[in-house]
Amino acid sequence: SAVISQKPSRDICQRGTSLTIQCQVDSQVTMMFWYRQQPGQSLTLIATANQGSEATYESGFVIDKFPISRPNLTFSTLTVSNMSPEDSSIYLCSVEEGPGGYFGPGTRLLVL
Amino acid sequence: ELKVEQNPLFLSMQEGKNYTIYCNYSTTSDRLYWYRQDPGKSLESLFVLLSNGAVKQEGRLMASLDTKARLSTLHITAAVHDLSATYFCAVEPGGSNYKLTFGKGTLLTVNP
Repeated sequence: SAVISQKPSRDICQRGTSLTIQCQVDSQVTMMFWYRQQPGQSLTLIATANQGSEATYESGFVIDKFPISRPNLTFSTLTVSNMSPEDSSIYLCSVEEGPGGYFGPGTRLLVL
Repeated sequence: ELKVEQNPLFLSMQEGKNYTIYCNYSTTSDRLYWYRQDPGKSLESLFVLLSNGAVKQEGRLMASLDTKARLSTLHITAAVHDLSATYFCAVEPGGSNYKLTFGKGTLLTVNP
């Protein structure tokens, strides 16, 4: 199994600012994924982050808005840039280890 | 574009009753997953279904997959209050490398 931690667990931010979310895994993994869960909604994949290469973004998500770093096999960051209230969501990282993968506890973001 | 539809989205049931949640998807899939999410918590993997006719059971929950009908079901037997949660199905299209498309989720409330 993999244990995933995220920082911060929650934050309240002003529009126009940026927030960087950290995801730490207790084992080395090849692929890490970032998802967004808007209030009362399902999860939507933002991007896939592989160590040593650029992140791959899904339709509707762009690097300028959600830059991602993956400096090593246990860590990744997602930045939510130039935030607006529409960015208020839960952001979760996930790894593919094991059946169904593992999800972090999420970062609850509220943009005012 | 892959679509994953769950129904019902809301389910309120009495303890001891049986019910089924349905998950339809629109394209060929390698794998289908069921997850549980408790309020304010992250996702917990319940089942991974890999082939047509696959059936998996854990306690009062049983999941099945019909790839020809592109349908998975999550059957709840003799529900208990502890099963109250949101249940998501997610589909991993063939060759997508763990990129999951989620259904909207079913909010299950089991009343004593």
